[in-house]
Amino acid sequence: EDQVTQSPEALRLQEGESSSLNCSYTVSGLRGLFWYRQDPGKGPEFLFTLYSAGEEKEKERLKATLTKKESFLHITAPKPEDSATYLCAATGNQFYFGTGTSLTVIP
Amino acid sequence: DAGVTQSPTHLIKTRGQQVTLRCSPKSGHDTVSWYQQALGQGPQFIFQYYEEEERQRGNFPDRFSGHQFPNYSSELNVNALLLGDSALYLCASSLAGTSTDTQYFGPGTRLTVL
Repeated sequence: EDQVTQSPEALRLQEGESSSLNCSYTVSGLRGLFWYRQDPGKGPEFLFTLYSAGEEKEKERLKATLTKKESFLHITAPKPEDSATYLCAATGNQFYFGTGTSLTVIP
Repeated sequence: DAGVTQSPTHLIKTRGQQVTLRCSPKSGHDTVSWYQQALGQGPQFIFQYYEEEERQRGNFPDRFSGHQFPNYSSELNVNALLLGDSALYLCASSLAGTSTDTQYFGPGTRLTVL
């Protein structure tokens, strides 16, 4: 069964305290791995697409990496405005989303 | 460049009623996908429309139906509403035939069924 699992469910960090979010996937014929940011009551905002193991992409304090079984979203020196739910999705014949990691960054 | 737009923003219905939600894709996109997101959960794929046809469908009953118009906009219809249909309904657009499947989401429609 195709599925995506994210951990941890929730994460509280002090401002400046770096950490990583995990996304493990079992999707047949993986075509892409996606990261989105979602603020409460709003639609997901696209962050990154990764296509092959070993690929990395960066945007400001965020860096996404991909292996054959999982992806990591590394957050370096986070700020309070990085607080949001981070969703991971894998696409085979359709998009499969995880349940997200709720990140809170405390000033 | 207009992003994905959805209407209405919020909607309150009672059990058994029918509802129609609308979506306009990002400029230049031709494919529309619909998702249901319950509170605290990730989006669940309902179906995808391309060239006015339903191309793929997730595990949702026939009460959920859709349509795509020649201008690529789309509607999601839900019949015989149940309390469990209360959720944020998201529309996402993408461009078929490219190497990327990246989907861009609208702000969603919050449906409450009483």
